[in-house]
Amino acid sequence: AQSVTQLDSQVPVFEEAPVELRCNYSSSVSVYLFWYVQYPNQGLQLLLKYLSGSTLVESINGFEAEFNKSQTSFHLRKPSVHISDTAEYFCAVSVETSGSRLTFGEGTQLTVNP
Amino acid sequence: NAGVTQTPKFQVLKTGQSMTLQCAQDMNHEYMSWYRQDPGMGLRLIHYSVGAGITDQGEVPNGYNVSRSTTEDFPLRLLSAAPSQTSVYFCASRPHRATGELFFGEGSRLTVL
Repeated sequence: AQSVTQLDSQVPVFEEAPVELRCNYSSSVSVYLFWYVQYPNQGLQLLLKYLSGSTLVESINGFEAEFNKSQTSFHLRKPSVHISDTAEYFCAVSVETSGSRLTFGEGTQLTVNP
Repeated sequence: NAGVTQTPKFQVLKTGQSMTLQCAQDMNHEYMSWYRQDPGMGLRLIHYSVGAGITDQGEVPNGYNVSRSTTEDFPLRLLSAAPSQTSVYFCASRPHRATGELFFGEGSRLTVL
């Protein structure tokens, strides 16, 4: 079975600083990887996904993540964060493209301070 | 533009009481699922359904029942609530063969005393 570990439960940063949220996974077969974002008192929204092809994937709001098969990682990065990026971020893995059995990590709370 | 709608948003129960969390989606999605979210544990899959009349267990199904009589609705029933079921519950849906993007409701916060 697959599993996901998010290495930091809380990440505080100042506005306009770079940030990296770390995610490692384990699986004996090929995986599909996702990052979801949860703003306060809301449900989760898909931020970006890796299914195949280019190992670097980007979101519309400046986040990017790189699939590293040798290190079994899918870290999320942004070169300059905004106050509005404050949210909880979840890494998730599936062994099917349909994602019916998404396994989520524990979540990382990103807090951007002025 | 409703998407996935969950009711109620908040509920307080006493141990042993039963209740149903409602979930409805208006996107004609075949796949629907229920997750619970607990601090430090991420989201864990309770039950899911790939179409009307078809349901299956997820990672933590004990204490919960589901049914899927229509494409739109996927209620989650707690038969005899326990304090361990205090959690935030999320319903999520997607087209059957979509590549991973689940559409989530806003959640239902349940407290069992």
